[in-house]
Amino acid sequence: QVQLVQSGAEVKKPGASVKISCKASGFTFTTYPMQWLRQAPGQRLEWMGWINAGDGNTKYSQKFQGRVTITRDTSATTAYMELSSLRSEDTAVYYCARGVPFDPWGQGTLVTVSS
Amino acid sequence: DIQMTQSPSSLSASVGDRVTITCRASQSISSYLSWYQQKPGKAPKLLIYAASSLQSGVPSRFSGSGSGTDFTLTISSLQPEDFATYYCQQSYSALYTFGQGTKLEIK
Repeated sequence: QVQLVQSGAEVKKPGASVKISCKASGFTFTTYPMQWLRQAPGQRLEWMGWINAGDGNTKYSQKFQGRVTITRDTSATTAYMELSSLRSEDTAVYYCARGVPFDPWGQGTLVTVSS
Repeated sequence: DIQMTQSPSSLSASVGDRVTITCRASQSISSYLSWYQQKPGKAPKLLIYAASSLQSGVPSRFSGSGSGTDFTLTISSLQPEDFATYYCQQSYSALYTFGQGTKLEIK
């Protein structure tokens, strides 16, 4: 079945970077865009960016431009999201999702930024 | 960015009730509107896309309508498993944005 499985929870210090993976299975990875979103505690869902898994082209939300990098490994059918210069406000659950509309979603990865 | 506003932000209802949640976009988004259901500690699940198309596997008690700036999600007869938070999301602009969510609670 179509499935996205994300890497595990992370605890980072302010100023550090985090890289989260999203392993895809059950569909042809290169024919879909892969999205990254996040949800801070008590906040609405927030789109961060996407990658065309076929050609590697990316588009990022202006809010995260310069801090986020989305990549993919087609041989591993895995997408990655790296967020740098972390601050406490980046504490959130990060999700990957397939396509537009977003379906399915990964299970989420909690990133905690704390000194 | 296109702003999405849902109402109400929270709603109490009983099993068997008919419930309607509204979503308004800050500009016309045609029918580029999706609805998601999220339960505590879980990832969102796609319910409706293109404003009124039911995602495969989603019960027919869920329906969506609207176009332009005003949209609704209706649950015709609430079931215990429907108590969750619901989000609308626009894909008219590739800078995708979500509503603030509507928390549906048991009365």
